[in-house]
Amino acid sequence: AQSVTQLDSQVPVFEEAPVELRCNYSSSVSVYLFWYVQYPNQGLQLLLKYLSGSTLVKGINGFEAEFNKSQTSFHLRKPSVHISDTAEYFCAVSDKGSYIPTFGRGTSLIVHP
Amino acid sequence: GAVVSQHPSRVICKSGTSVKIECRSLDFQATTMFWYRQFPKQSLMLMATSNEGSKATYEQGVEKDKFLINHASLTLSTLTVTSAHPEDSSFYICSADPFSGAENTEAFFGQGTRLTVV
Repeated sequence: AQSVTQLDSQVPVFEEAPVELRCNYSSSVSVYLFWYVQYPNQGLQLLLKYLSGSTLVKGINGFEAEFNKSQTSFHLRKPSVHISDTAEYFCAVSDKGSYIPTFGRGTSLIVHP
Repeated sequence: GAVVSQHPSRVICKSGTSVKIECRSLDFQATTMFWYRQFPKQSLMLMATSNEGSKATYEQGVEKDKFLINHASLTLSTLTVTSAHPEDSSFYICSADPFSGAENTEAFFGQGTRLTVV
């Protein structure tokens, strides 16, 4: 069984500051890892995903994440946030060969002017 | 990327009535679709897996007689909330798995349906 832990339920940050949203997972098999963003009353949009290869993954909107197998982490980062990045961010994990992700509880990123 | 469309985006219904939510894959065929429920400030919880031409597989604790799922074609799955009550108010999201014959790496999500039962 898999599980995903997003340690921070809410992360407030000022505009143009860097941000890191933390994600740790547990699984007994090889996994795929994802970050999704959800704007109010909307579905999920894929930010980035790790399948294999380079542990540093770059996604849309200037976000990137690093897969750390030894620490079972997949933290999301952005060097300079915008007001428009205010949203809910979900980390997810699925077994390789599966397409049914297990989601974390989400982190609310709040960007202040 | 693949596009999944949900309809309606918002619906308000009276207690005791039934509501149907549609999930369509617009530019690909999906043998499998998934229905999630999301409570405010919480994560997505998988309700059921919808398989084209066969019965849906429900997660533990989900009432299959209350949440009827039909996947009649490779591009359409429907979720019907029967005899809705206020506690069924929630955000429902579908996702679809593009059938390509190759190993799939991700599902694609609809924009969600906000159901309010009054």
